[in-house]
Amino acid sequence: ETGVTQTPRHLVMGMTNKKSLKCEQHLGHNAMYWYKQSAKKPLELMFVYNFKEQTENNSVPSRFSPECPNSSHLFLHLHTLQPEDSALYLCASSQDTGGVGNTIYFGEGSWLTVV
Amino acid sequence: AQSVTQLGSHVSVSEGALVLLRCNYSSSVPPYLFWYVQYPNQGLQLLLKYTSAATLVKGINGFEAEFKKSETSFHLTKPSAHMSDAAEYFCAVRLSGSRLTFGEGTQLTVNP
Repeated sequence: ETGVTQTPRHLVMGMTNKKSLKCEQHLGHNAMYWYKQSAKKPLELMFVYNFKEQTENNSVPSRFSPECPNSSHLFLHLHTLQPEDSALYLCASSQDTGGVGNTIYFGEGSWLTVV
Repeated sequence: AQSVTQLGSHVSVSEGALVLLRCNYSSSVPPYLFWYVQYPNQGLQLLLKYTSAATLVKGINGFEAEFKKSETSFHLTKPSAHMSDAAEYFCAVRLSGSRLTFGEGTQLTVNP
């Protein structure tokens, strides 16, 4: 059983829809991350939050809007997406962002298909 | 800058054979290195990590990796492959802060 839970596991949305991905971690961590995994591409870091504060935005288009209300929860709000945004979105957490050797734990991902 | 190169996007072995998945890194400072495994339709699971202690690191499921600074390598090995090892394997490097940079992954197929 994973300590990082993502919902929904699968999402199909139209380009004009607004939807959200949810992530919850049960590990007592203070850092949370969103990664994007597309076919034939390395995992791409999207956003980083440390103690609820966004510390990194890896030039992600504004149609992706993260929200971190507390250290245990992370959302990714989606609106007016493009078909090329279809991918597996992975949430992850770690103790914090300061320890370089800290392990990053991943959820099982949310498969997003934009039609 | 840091980067990771995984040699071979697909590796195929017979059950019981040696598994060798290659990873080379480029870094101007000592890196922290990780191997993750991703089974079909699942997220990434940590196999092992190198954090500048012992150069030979043992992980879960019988995997191990050796950090070789002279070769800038961190190859993953397992003496005897099992059917359940079929998955995608990712090498990753981390120098500081939050950025974990992944390789492109190697898909391991285990043939009966």
